[in-house]
Amino acid sequence: AQKVTQAQTEISVVEKEDVTLDCVYETRDTTYYLFWYKQPPSGELVFLIRRNSFDEQNEISGRYSWNFQKSTSSFNFTITASQVVDSAVYFCALSEAIVSGYSTLTFGKGTMLLVSP
Amino acid sequence: EADIYQTPRYLVIGTGKKITLECSQTMGHDKMYWYQQDPGMELHLIHYSYGVNSTEKGDLSSESTVSRIRTEHFPLTLESARPSHTSQYLCASSRHKDRGARPQHFGDGTRLSIL
Repeated sequence: AQKVTQAQTEISVVEKEDVTLDCVYETRDTTYYLFWYKQPPSGELVFLIRRNSFDEQNEISGRYSWNFQKSTSSFNFTITASQVVDSAVYFCALSEAIVSGYSTLTFGKGTMLLVSP
Repeated sequence: EADIYQTPRYLVIGTGKKITLECSQTMGHDKMYWYQQDPGMELHLIHYSYGVNSTEKGDLSSESTVSRIRTEHFPLTLESARPSHTSQYLCASSRHKDRGARPQHFGDGTRLSIL
Protein backbone atom coordinates (compact mmCIF):
# COMPACT_ATOMS: atom_id res chain seq x y z
CA ALA A 1 0.00 0.00 0.00
CA GLN A 2 1.15 3.52 -0.65
CA LYS A 3 2.03 5.92 2.13
CA VAL A 4 3.29 9.48 2.40
CA THR A 5 5.04 10.79 5.48
CA GLN A 6 5.57 14.42 6.28
CA ALA A 7 7.39 14.24 9.56
CA GLN A 8 7.41 17.98 10.18
CA THR A 9 4.06 19.00 11.63
CA GLU A 10 4.90 22.67 11.93
CA ILE A 11 7.85 24.84 10.96
CA SER A 12 8.40 28.45 11.99
CA VAL A 13 10.89 30.68 10.22
CA VAL A 14 11.63 34.33 9.92
CA GLU A 15 11.19 36.08 6.61
CA LYS A 16 14.05 35.63 4.14
CA GLU A 17 15.15 32.35 5.65
CA ASP A 18 15.29 29.29 3.43
CA VAL A 19 13.12 26.39 4.50
CA THR A 20 12.85 22.76 3.37
CA LEU A 21 9.72 20.68 3.77
CA ASP A 22 10.36 16.96 3.83
CA CYS A 23 8.30 14.29 2.12
CA VAL A 24 9.06 10.57 2.24
CA TYR A 25 6.88 8.09 0.38
CA GLU A 26 6.36 4.35 0.21
CA THR A 27 5.17 2.45 -2.81
CA ARG A 28 5.67 -0.98 -4.31
CA ASP A 29 5.09 0.34 -7.79
CA THR A 30 7.77 1.55 -10.17
CA THR A 31 5.35 3.91 -11.90
CA TYR A 32 3.88 6.66 -9.79
CA TYR A 33 3.39 10.40 -9.53
CA LEU A 34 4.23 12.77 -6.72
CA PHE A 35 2.56 16.09 -6.03
CA TRP A 36 2.85 19.11 -3.79
CA TYR A 37 -0.12 21.27 -2.83
CA LYS A 38 -0.34 24.50 -0.85
CA GLN A 39 -3.31 25.31 1.41
CA PRO A 40 -3.34 28.97 2.48
CA PRO A 41 -5.54 30.12 5.40
CA SER A 42 -8.41 30.73 2.97
CA GLY A 43 -8.78 26.95 2.68
CA GLU A 44 -8.47 25.92 -0.94
CA LEU A 45 -5.69 23.57 -2.04
CA VAL A 46 -3.48 24.95 -4.77
CA PHE A 47 -1.56 22.59 -7.03
CA LEU A 48 2.19 23.35 -7.12
CA ILE A 49 3.97 20.55 -8.94
CA ARG A 50 3.64 17.05 -10.37
CA ARG A 51 6.59 14.72 -10.91
CA ASN A 52 6.55 11.23 -12.38
CA SER A 53 8.75 8.43 -11.11
CA PHE A 54 10.87 8.35 -14.24
CA ASP A 55 11.91 11.96 -14.05
CA GLU A 56 14.40 12.59 -11.27
CA GLN A 57 15.46 16.00 -12.46
CA ASN A 58 15.16 18.64 -9.81
CA GLU A 59 12.89 21.53 -10.62
CA ILE A 60 13.04 25.20 -9.82
CA SER A 61 10.20 27.66 -10.16
CA GLY A 62 11.06 31.07 -8.85
CA ARG A 63 11.74 30.75 -5.12
CA TYR A 64 10.43 27.18 -5.09
CA SER A 65 12.53 24.12 -5.80
CA TRP A 66 11.94 20.41 -5.53
CA ASN A 67 14.48 17.65 -4.95
CA PHE A 68 13.31 14.20 -6.02
CA GLN A 69 15.52 11.28 -4.93
CA LYS A 70 14.28 7.78 -5.65
CA SER A 71 17.16 6.25 -3.72
CA THR A 72 15.77 7.67 -0.50
CA SER A 73 12.11 7.78 -1.60
CA SER A 74 11.99 11.48 -0.93
CA PHE A 75 10.48 14.47 -2.69
CA ASN A 76 11.51 17.50 -0.67
CA PHE A 77 10.34 21.05 -1.25
CA THR A 78 12.51 24.09 -0.58
CA ILE A 79 11.39 27.70 -0.40
CA THR A 80 14.22 30.17 -0.79
CA ALA A 81 14.03 33.56 0.89
CA SER A 82 10.68 32.83 2.48
CA GLN A 83 7.96 35.46 2.64
CA VAL A 84 4.98 35.95 4.92
CA VAL A 85 2.70 34.99 2.02
CA ASP A 86 4.30 31.54 2.02
CA SER A 87 2.58 30.83 5.33
CA ALA A 88 0.30 27.89 4.63
CA VAL A 89 -0.10 24.17 5.06
CA TYR A 90 1.79 22.19 2.46
CA PHE A 91 0.77 18.70 1.43
CA CYS A 92 2.78 16.06 -0.40
CA ALA A 93 0.78 13.38 -2.25
CA LEU A 94 1.34 10.17 -4.21
CA SER A 95 -0.60 8.37 -6.94
CA GLU A 96 0.35 4.87 -8.07
CA ALA A 97 -0.27 3.22 -11.41
CA ILE A 98 -3.10 0.70 -11.23
CA VAL A 99 -4.80 -1.49 -13.80
CA SER A 100 -7.44 1.11 -14.62
CA GLY A 101 -5.04 4.05 -14.69
CA TYR A 102 -3.80 5.76 -11.58
CA SER A 103 -4.94 5.49 -8.00
CA THR A 104 -6.56 8.26 -6.04
CA LEU A 105 -4.13 10.53 -4.23
CA THR A 106 -2.64 9.51 -0.92
CA PHE A 107 -1.82 12.67 1.01
CA GLY A 108 0.66 13.20 3.78
CA LYS A 109 -0.61 14.81 6.95
CA GLY A 110 0.70 18.20 5.92
CA THR A 111 3.30 20.61 7.23
CA MET A 112 2.20 23.98 8.53
CA LEU A 113 4.70 26.68 7.62
CA LEU A 114 4.62 29.93 9.58
CA VAL A 115 6.73 32.77 8.22
CA SER A 116 6.99 35.74 10.52
CA PRO A 117 8.12 39.23 9.50
CA GLU B 1 -7.01 28.09 -14.21
CA ALA B 2 -9.30 25.68 -12.39
CA ASP B 3 -12.99 26.44 -12.27
CA ILE B 4 -14.56 24.44 -9.50
CA TYR B 5 -17.16 25.89 -7.22
CA GLN B 6 -18.47 24.86 -3.85
CA THR B 7 -21.50 26.22 -2.06
CA PRO B 8 -22.14 27.17 0.61
CA ARG B 9 -18.79 28.47 1.76
CA TYR B 10 -19.88 28.30 5.40
CA LEU B 11 -22.84 26.54 6.99
CA VAL B 12 -23.93 26.45 10.60
CA ILE B 13 -26.95 24.27 11.16
CA GLY B 14 -28.71 22.27 13.83
CA THR B 15 -28.55 18.57 14.50
CA GLY B 16 -30.89 16.36 12.50
CA LYS B 17 -31.14 18.58 9.45
CA LYS B 18 -30.63 17.28 5.95
CA ILE B 19 -27.72 19.00 4.21
CA THR B 20 -26.53 19.06 0.64
CA LEU B 21 -23.12 20.47 -0.20
CA GLU B 22 -22.85 21.54 -3.81
CA CYS B 23 -19.85 21.10 -6.07
CA SER B 24 -19.69 22.06 -9.73
CA GLN B 25 -16.85 22.24 -12.22
CA THR B 26 -16.79 23.76 -15.67
CA MET B 27 -13.70 22.00 -17.00
CA GLY B 28 -15.38 18.84 -18.26
CA HIS B 29 -13.33 16.72 -15.88
CA ASP B 30 -14.35 13.09 -15.59
CA LYS B 31 -13.07 12.48 -12.09
CA MET B 32 -14.46 14.21 -9.04
CA TYR B 33 -13.68 13.79 -5.34
CA TRP B 34 -14.87 14.73 -1.89
CA TYR B 35 -12.45 15.10 1.00
CA GLN B 36 -13.10 15.71 4.65
CA GLN B 37 -10.46 17.71 6.45
CA ASP B 38 -10.31 17.60 10.23
CA PRO B 39 -8.93 20.41 12.39
CA GLY B 40 -5.61 18.56 12.56
CA MET B 41 -5.19 19.28 8.84
CA GLU B 42 -5.25 15.69 7.59
CA LEU B 43 -7.23 15.11 4.39
CA HIS B 44 -9.47 12.07 4.11
CA LEU B 45 -11.00 10.92 0.84
CA ILE B 46 -14.65 10.07 1.48
CA HIS B 47 -16.13 9.72 -2.03
CA TYR B 48 -15.03 9.81 -5.64
CA SER B 49 -16.47 9.38 -9.09
CA TYR B 50 -14.91 8.46 -12.42
CA GLY B 51 -17.83 9.69 -14.45
CA VAL B 52 -21.60 9.95 -14.74
CA ASN B 53 -23.42 7.30 -12.69
CA SER B 54 -20.14 6.20 -11.11
CA THR B 55 -19.55 6.69 -7.40
CA GLU B 56 -17.15 4.99 -5.01
CA LYS B 57 -16.46 5.21 -1.32
CA GLY B 58 -13.11 6.55 -0.29
CA ASP B 59 -10.64 5.61 2.39
CA LEU B 60 -12.62 7.09 5.27
CA SER B 61 -16.03 5.74 6.05
CA SER B 62 -18.62 8.48 5.87
CA GLU B 63 -22.33 8.68 6.55
CA SER B 64 -22.69 11.02 3.62
CA THR B 65 -23.85 10.02 0.14
CA VAL B 66 -23.04 11.40 -3.29
CA SER B 67 -24.52 11.33 -6.76
CA ARG B 68 -23.16 11.99 -10.24
CA ILE B 69 -25.99 12.56 -12.65
CA ARG B 70 -24.17 15.18 -14.69
CA THR B 71 -20.47 15.41 -15.44
CA GLU B 72 -20.13 18.86 -13.95
CA HIS B 73 -22.08 18.29 -10.72
CA PHE B 74 -21.14 16.15 -7.69
CA PRO B 75 -23.25 17.00 -4.64
CA LEU B 76 -22.72 15.49 -1.22
CA THR B 77 -25.67 14.85 1.10
CA LEU B 78 -25.98 14.25 4.81
CA GLU B 79 -29.45 12.95 5.60
CA SER B 80 -29.31 13.81 9.30
CA ALA B 81 -26.48 16.03 10.42
CA ARG B 82 -24.69 15.40 13.70
CA PRO B 83 -22.00 17.34 15.57
CA SER B 84 -19.46 14.69 14.51
CA HIS B 85 -19.97 15.87 10.93
CA THR B 86 -18.47 19.24 11.77
CA SER B 87 -15.50 19.63 9.45
CA GLN B 88 -14.26 21.23 6.27
CA TYR B 89 -15.35 19.48 3.08
CA LEU B 90 -13.27 19.92 -0.06
CA CYS B 91 -14.36 19.01 -3.56
CA ALA B 92 -11.85 18.36 -6.35
CA SER B 93 -11.80 17.27 -9.97
CA SER B 94 -9.25 15.99 -12.47
CA ARG B 95 -9.04 14.73 -16.01
CA HIS B 96 -9.19 10.97 -16.44
CA LYS B 97 -8.46 10.12 -20.01
CA ASP B 98 -5.03 11.65 -20.34
CA ARG B 99 -1.88 9.70 -19.75
CA GLY B 100 -0.50 9.87 -16.26
CA ALA B 101 -1.99 10.90 -12.97
CA ARG B 102 -3.42 14.35 -13.45
CA PRO B 103 -3.39 16.99 -10.72
CA GLN B 104 -6.60 17.52 -8.86
CA HIS B 105 -8.09 20.99 -8.82
CA PHE B 106 -9.81 21.97 -5.62
CA GLY B 107 -12.71 24.17 -4.71
CA ASP B 108 -12.59 26.66 -1.85
CA GLY B 109 -14.24 24.21 0.52
CA THR B 110 -17.32 24.25 2.74
CA ARG B 111 -16.81 24.77 6.43
CA LEU B 112 -19.67 22.89 8.08
CA SER B 113 -20.58 23.31 11.72
CA ILE B 114 -23.32 21.23 13.29
CA LEU B 115 -24.72 22.54 16.56
